[in-house]
Amino acid sequence: AQSVTQLGSHVSVSEGALVLLRCNYSSSVPPYLFWYVQYPNQGLQLLLKYTTGATLVKGINGFEAEFKKSETSFHLTKPSAHMSDAAEYFCAVTSYNNNDMRFGAGTRLTVKP
Amino acid sequence: DSGVTQTPKHLITATGQRVTLRCSPRSGDLSVYWYQQSLDQGLQFLIQYYNGEERAKGNILERFSAQQFPDLHSELNLSSLELGDSALYFCASSAGGNTEAFFGQGTRLTVV
Repeated sequence: AQSVTQLGSHVSVSEGALVLLRCNYSSSVPPYLFWYVQYPNQGLQLLLKYTTGATLVKGINGFEAEFKKSETSFHLTKPSAHMSDAAEYFCAVTSYNNNDMRFGAGTRLTVKP
Repeated sequence: DSGVTQTPKHLITATGQRVTLRCSPRSGDLSVYWYQQSLDQGLQFLIQYYNGEERAKGNILERFSAQQFPDLHSELNLSSLELGDSALYFCASSAGGNTEAFFGQGTRLTVV
């Protein structure tokens, strides 16, 4: 079965600082990986996804993530945090022909002024 | 707007009661997922349907059941409700395979 582990349930950064949210996955087949963001009282919204091809994936709002097979990781980064980035972020994994998408426990990002 | 519609948005009910949550997936999506989100448990996968058939089952209690109808909408039935069932219930849909899931706004269930 596939799974993801998000390291750190809470991450706090200062405005303008680097954002790094960690995600490690487990999959016996080539994974498809996703990052979602959830703002308060809203559903989850797709930030970016990796399926095949380029391992560095760019998403919305200046976020990007790099798929590293050797490290089984898909960490999310943003060079400079903005107050509006404060939200909960979820990493998810699925694979081709496997419709069972599994989510990590989430990381709550706080941005300090 | 994700294109996934969930009704109702809010639901308050008493312990022991039964409720039905409804989800209309995005047009053309065959796969529907149900998730429960609570403060202490995080986002928990409950169950998934694909074109009317159950495809995967997660941490779904026996008191809960779901189905997907021929028109692809789905319903999640929660019975013998307990205080601990209070949570946000999300529905998501996808076209399947390597495509992303699109989430509805959720139904907030409060059991009193």
